[in-house]
Amino acid sequence: GEEVAQTPKHLVRGEGQKAKLYCAPIKGHSYVFWYQQVLKNEFKFLISFQNENVFDETGMPKERFSAKCLPNSPCSLEIQATKLEDSAVYFCASSQKPDGTGLTFGSGTRLTVV
Amino acid sequence: GDSVTQMEGPVTLSEEAFLTINCTYTATGYPSLFWYVQYPGEGLQLLLKATKADDKGSNKGFEATYRKETTSFHLEKGSVQVSDSAVYFCALQMNSGNTPLVFGKGTRLSVIA
Repeated sequence: GEEVAQTPKHLVRGEGQKAKLYCAPIKGHSYVFWYQQVLKNEFKFLISFQNENVFDETGMPKERFSAKCLPNSPCSLEIQATKLEDSAVYFCASSQKPDGTGLTFGSGTRLTVV
Repeated sequence: GDSVTQMEGPVTLSEEAFLTINCTYTATGYPSLFWYVQYPGEGLQLLLKATKADDKGSNKGFEATYRKETTSFHLEKGSVQVSDSAVYFCALQMNSGNTPLVFGKGTRLSVIA
């Protein structure tokens, strides 16, 4: 499709529970990025993929966050044992080629940890 | 590392007022520059972009010019509308490789009738 599709739109988890977010990039886009937007609007880069390969994971908290982009499946971002500070909106974005022309963003998944 | 600095908000303007949101960047090379807009409850939408020095990006009455000498990409609009109320993000992306966008902290604009 022509949009980056993120599911679910909203997710509520109790502290310590697992959260799994999904992202279907635009067809033909080889590059996928995950960002976390916390309360004060700031965007924090988490991880990027080129097809199914991790390209840059410098922003990923090592212990509880993981992500995958497998062939013929939506990409996923998983948080094990969620904490209150994981509450944020998680955005996925995709691009066709790494030429600096920008990214197309999905509408985000709002994760609330209670 | 690369970074983007944009003016602190919130900015409150009356309808038809002139808008400027300042943005400066620090980068080791020559990035592409972007303005994204986030309307309430929605994701980011690309507003405009410029890929090299002296390029002017424009869309929906908004403009920004890539100034290498001042490392700036200020957003302007001559006459804002209530519907322009949103959070505006300046961002850069290096042109080589699969590099992430680096965002400024966002500027909230409220336009009142």
